[in-house]
Amino acid sequence: QKEVEQDPGPLSVPEGAIVSLNCTYSNSAFQYFMWYRQYSRKGPELLMYTYSSGNKEDGRFTAQVDKSSKYISLFIRDSQPSDSATYLCAMSGPGSSGSARQLTFGSGTQLTVLP
Amino acid sequence: DAGVIQSPRHEVTEMGQEVTLRCKPISGHDYLFWYRQTMMRGLELLIYFNNNVPIDDSGMPEDRFSAKMPNASFSTLKIQPSEPRDSAVYFCASSSRETQYFGPGTRLLVL
Repeated sequence: QKEVEQDPGPLSVPEGAIVSLNCTYSNSAFQYFMWYRQYSRKGPELLMYTYSSGNKEDGRFTAQVDKSSKYISLFIRDSQPSDSATYLCAMSGPGSSGSARQLTFGSGTQLTVLP
Repeated sequence: DAGVIQSPRHEVTEMGQEVTLRCKPISGHDYLFWYRQTMMRGLELLIYFNNNVPIDDSGMPEDRFSAKMPNASFSTLKIQPSEPRDSAVYFCASSSRETQYFGPGTRLLVL
């Protein structure tokens, strides 16, 4: 079993839809949670960063962390064709130095938003 | 800030040749990471440095791969000799806290 599981998709939605992307993990020590967006032939770009449990909102994007269930989500409201990309979850911890700086990535979910 | 800079962006070489990939991290970042990305295996961490010192190279696939960081603003990943199975996109990332910032990658094709 992988340490971080992510449905690879592909996921295709119409413009304006609400998108839900999810990851589950097995290491209860993780405490930093991130979402990266990767456009085709580009490097991963940090989208959202959350520490421990709770919600974080940034414009159309909301990140949720449920440590009790070992489950994280990224919601995209009013999705746009420009949101079409691969979304990777990543996590790290405990601590904030040394090996804790290593990120464990999900395999990525490929999203297409149709105009 | 220019972000993480990698060169070359594309590299095509023949099996057996030496390949050197270069990375300039974001100024002030004390951690530097080298990753490899393929469709089959996703993002794999190869090695990372803290304050120019290699900390964990357990992800380096074999002795053909080596990495150096002679100073805070430059790192290299070398493959010698290269093989077709090394074809992948190689990313460099740097961080000053828990989040990492990636470069645009080097797309390597070994024929």
